[in-house]
Amino acid sequence: GENVEQHPSTLSVQEGDSAVIKCTYSDSASNYFPWYKQELGKGPQLIIDIRSNVGEKKDQRIAVTLNKTAKHFSLHITETQPEDSAVYFCAASEGASTGNQFYFGTGTSLTVIP
Amino acid sequence: AAGVIQSPRHLIKEKRETATLKCYPIPRHDTVYWYQQGPGQDPQFLISFYEKMQSDKGSIPDRFSAQQFSDYHSELNMSSLELGDSALYFCASSIGQGHGYTFGSGTRLTVV
Repeated sequence: GENVEQHPSTLSVQEGDSAVIKCTYSDSASNYFPWYKQELGKGPQLIIDIRSNVGEKKDQRIAVTLNKTAKHFSLHITETQPEDSAVYFCAASEGASTGNQFYFGTGTSLTVIP
Repeated sequence: AAGVIQSPRHLIKEKRETATLKCYPIPRHDTVYWYQQGPGQDPQFLISFYEKMQSDKGSIPDRFSAQQFSDYHSELNMSSLELGDSALYFCASSIGQGHGYTFGSGTRLTVV
């Protein structure tokens, strides 16, 4: 089965700096990679996703890169703000449809220091 | 390495029946989280337990209840099942709260 590893487990950055979270996966059949942001007491919210036919995707201050050959993908947050503080999860799946199993990373607790 | 064990993997129930899902955390993990992921939806946080006490509550319906036992395993009890309860139910565990989550493979519940 798929194995997703996520690093680092905790990350502290100064406001305005960039934050990078990295994930690796093991199953070459995985082709959908979402990133979730979870705030305290709430469920994970999808913030960006990427499919295997794309190498990079950007949405304002958030970008995700995918290296299929190396089987790793990364989340980049630029110009961090205190409200970016949360737990971030990566996941891998064989697709975004109903029946496909999602495999989650272990989470990264990001703290943005004002 | 030991992982988070969820049982059963698949469960089919009829409307108005009850279901019990079980989660066995990684040894020495004292925190358990439950999530519900409906078809095509983001995972929804239901409830969490730390050291056998409820630590946080999300969008868990009143028909559902959960607890964490002395051996740290947790059970999610679901009564008066509705068709809309059909989903993938994930459990995760960690040491303390906030990071180092390990997710189980999930229980796929189908209500017919």
